[in-house]
Amino acid sequence: QSALTQPPSASGSPGQSVTISCTGTSSDIGRFDYVTWYQQHPGKAPKLVLYEVTKRPSGVPDRFSGSKSGNTASLTVSGLQAEDEADYYCSSYAGGNSFHVAFGGGTKLTVL
Amino acid sequence: QVQLQESGPGLVKPSETLSLTCTVSGGYINSYYWAWIRQPPGKGLEWIGYISFSGSTNYNPSLRSRLTISLDTSKNQFSLRLTSVTAADTAVYYCARSGVGGIMFDYWGRGTLVTVSS
Repeated sequence: QSALTQPPSASGSPGQSVTISCTGTSSDIGRFDYVTWYQQHPGKAPKLVLYEVTKRPSGVPDRFSGSKSGNTASLTVSGLQAEDEADYYCSSYAGGNSFHVAFGGGTKLTVL
Repeated sequence: QVQLQESGPGLVKPSETLSLTCTVSGGYINSYYWAWIRQPPGKGLEWIGYISFSGSTNYNPSLRSRLTISLDTSKNQFSLRLTSVTAADTAVYYCARSGVGGIMFDYWGRGTLVTVSS
């Protein structure tokens, strides 16, 4: 099972919107609506920000939104704030012959 | 509020067995799914596997031959055992709760660094 593909970096100024892509295949993102996004600050554990493509856990601001088209999922952070600067990882269920969860390589989001 | 805490040796010799335990507080382990994820230094996340509340497991195919995840409901703990380790197994190991059938992880431990070195 291959990892998902994310751009290594993204950036935006405070108040702007930034979109991070996550590209998989027809065996994972393209087949299942089980795309998840995590935020990770340096030295900290990942934090769930979106699941099942568009759902936000309690406590996550609605500035975080998700979408999916074909084999590519996207995370959009609107109204960028300094505390949004972090690494973001996507993941997807990649079932088929066997259960598997694939992660992307991560995107470093910089707030300029 | 559910909390998870990893524990175990921080240094393991090559070819030996890596063993970690995750203690769950603020919730019962006999519900939900419980997972291990690792992150090599400076790199991305890798799913290791999970165990369900009923004891069923699913493992990353690349680790399956060396991996065992087990559950101890009496202690509200679950454990990871990875045999024949090499330097490639050096990573921060996280335990996590899965809210959706082992697919996404809503509560995480703080992580523990395990270094494989002689």
